[in-house]
Amino acid sequence: GAGVSQSPSNKVTEKGKDVELRCDPISGHTALYWYRQRLGQGLEFLIYFQGNSAPDKSGLPSDRFSAERTGESVSTLTIQRTQQEDSAVYLCASSPGGWSDTQYFGPGTRLTVL
Amino acid sequence: AQTVTQSQPEMSVQEAETVTLSCTYDTSESDYYLFWYKQPPSRQMILVIRQEAYKQQNATENRFSVNFQKAAKSFSLKISDSQLGDAAMYFCAYGTNSGYALNFGKGTSLLVTP
Repeated sequence: GAGVSQSPSNKVTEKGKDVELRCDPISGHTALYWYRQRLGQGLEFLIYFQGNSAPDKSGLPSDRFSAERTGESVSTLTIQRTQQEDSAVYLCASSPGGWSDTQYFGPGTRLTVL
Repeated sequence: AQTVTQSQPEMSVQEAETVTLSCTYDTSESDYYLFWYKQPPSRQMILVIRQEAYKQQNATENRFSVNFQKAAKSFSLKISDSQLGDAAMYFCAYGTNSGYALNFGKGTSLLVTP
């Protein structure tokens, strides 16, 4: 079946603008994760959605970052008033739902803030 | 703090040879899962292998195998009969039941030479 998809693949924006990044998880996966990968670094957890439960936002670096998910479907990560330090690859992953389930990743969105 | 250390920023191996990538981790949890992911230039994080911490037997997937030393908190990846397509960044990660997000190392860049 189809894997995790993300759009856009690349996004260039100017400092101070808002951006929206989209993630379509694997059908049937109840868990969805957002991670950030800065150049030369590992992945940093941002936010986690599980079904209709309240999301775990503990990894969001500032109140400029927010995310929504429609049921067990699409998720949108929004960054307001972008800063140059927000430049990174933003990766989305989904899993069937259990904590021990393997997470399957999308191809990511490369965000460049000028 | 929970951490993952990959002490080799870069590794090189000749085609058809064997290479081992190192990973150590630090968690106080007794129940956890370990993963190796591969990230080629396409940015797609691809699962290579996973290991359940409660299993003593080392996981294998075709040419990929791990050496899991629970007491030492070590989880190395061995790639046998290396192929040009194995060239990528390799990330070690673990997940626990105290938090659904995976904890990642900074990665090892593997170069495969003909």
